[in-house]
Amino acid sequence: EIVLTQSPGTLSLSPGERATLSCRASQIVSGSYLAWYQQKPGQAPRLLIYSASTRAAGIPDRFSGSESGTDFTLTISRLEPDDFARYYCQLSSTWTFGQGTRVEIE
Amino acid sequence: QVQLVQSGAEVKKPGASLTVSCKASGYSFRLYGVIWVRQGPGEGLEWMGWISAYNGNRRSAEKFQDRITLTTDTDTNTAYMELRGLRSDDTAVYYCARVSCTNGVCRGVDGLHFWGQGTTVTVSS
Repeated sequence: EIVLTQSPGTLSLSPGERATLSCRASQIVSGSYLAWYQQKPGQAPRLLIYSASTRAAGIPDRFSGSESGTDFTLTISRLEPDDFARYYCQLSSTWTFGQGTRVEIE
Repeated sequence: QVQLVQSGAEVKKPGASLTVSCKASGYSFRLYGVIWVRQGPGEGLEWMGWISAYNGNRRSAEKFQDRITLTTDTDTNTAYMELRGLRSDDTAVYYCARVSCTNGVCRGVDGLHFWGQGTTVTVSS
């Protein structure tokens, strides 16, 4: 069973700062199946990135994704107030979700 | 525009069955599948299963396999998720989402772009 481990659990940052979120797979996986979602309280998840690095339609270019081996990274270049939320990675080849990273205002 | 509209909140007793519907519009229903994901209170996202609207192929997470039934009605463009033998730990928000499929296998390589609004289910005696 492939496990996705996200770190850190919580990221405390200020608007304008750079956020780097990690998602590590327990074994080698294809980045073609790796997606990132943003979720705010009371809302459905919102797709940000798919195939590890492709932005979904309408997603600002301050969001970017990358992969290196079993490590996947979501980077938010300059945090805006609307970006404070929980973020999940997900592998659609096994439909596994990471446990999430909460990005909170410091 | 693509929309997925789910049925309303439910309160169920332990042991009962639950059916959540997900009505799709704005796209060719049979060209995609529907995936079901749930989220317990304060918890993360948990995949439950998917079904291809093209040919009815389906796959469920192992923990739900004996309790879940996924169906679609291509006349009304609606997907259904039935969960039987409800327990208190089935209390959650249940989401449907559109998923891309190829030859009846839903892999969602392009991610889950469209989601329903969620259905809150409370299981309590």
